[in-house]
Amino acid sequence: QKEVEQDPGPLSVPEGAIVSLNCTYSNSAFQYFMWYRQYSRKGPELLMYTYSSGNKEDGRFTAQVDKSSKYISLFIRDSQPSDSATYLCTGNYGQNFVFGPGTRLSVLP
Amino acid sequence: NAGVTQTPKFQVLKTGQSMTLQCAQDMNHNSMYWYRQDPGMGLRLIYYSASEGTTDKGEVPNGYNVSRLNKREFSLRLESAAPSQTSVYFCASRPGTGITYEQYFGPGTRLTVT
Repeated sequence: QKEVEQDPGPLSVPEGAIVSLNCTYSNSAFQYFMWYRQYSRKGPELLMYTYSSGNKEDGRFTAQVDKSSKYISLFIRDSQPSDSATYLCTGNYGQNFVFGPGTRLSVLP
Repeated sequence: NAGVTQTPKFQVLKTGQSMTLQCAQDMNHNSMYWYRQDPGMGLRLIYYSASEGTTDKGEVPNGYNVSRLNKREFSLRLESAAPSQTSVYFCASRPGTGITYEQYFGPGTRLTVT
């Protein structure tokens, strides 16, 4: 079993839709949870992070962690074509950052 | 401020050839990382350097060696390339002090081994 599992998609939604991206993880030692966005042929960029159970909001993006069920979510409101990218979830303990395989999202105009 | 730079951007090798991937950061970060990214596998950690002078193995170190040349530079060497090493390689850096979670990634090196 991979430490971080993620539905690879692809996921296609119309512009303006609410998008829900999800990950599950198995390692209870994870301290921080992060979402990275990766545009085609580019390096990943940090989108959001959280270190405790609950929600964290930043503009149109909300990150949610439920440590009891080992579940990580990212919600995107009012999705835009510029949100089309691959979204990677990751957890870390110490210097180890474990990434999910990524979900490819397409937001159609 | 260029962030994290990687050279080369693309490379094609024949099986058995060797090469070194170069990475440099100008953010005065302590920690540096090498990942490979394969379809359906996500980013997998090859080696990391928590600070200048130290290196440690990650999840998939076999077939690779690294050198932390100084605080800025962290290179990845393939001594005898194999087709299984065809991948996109990303270098990343992190401040490495305090509660720091963000890794800054370079643009990647696309390597094909034939």
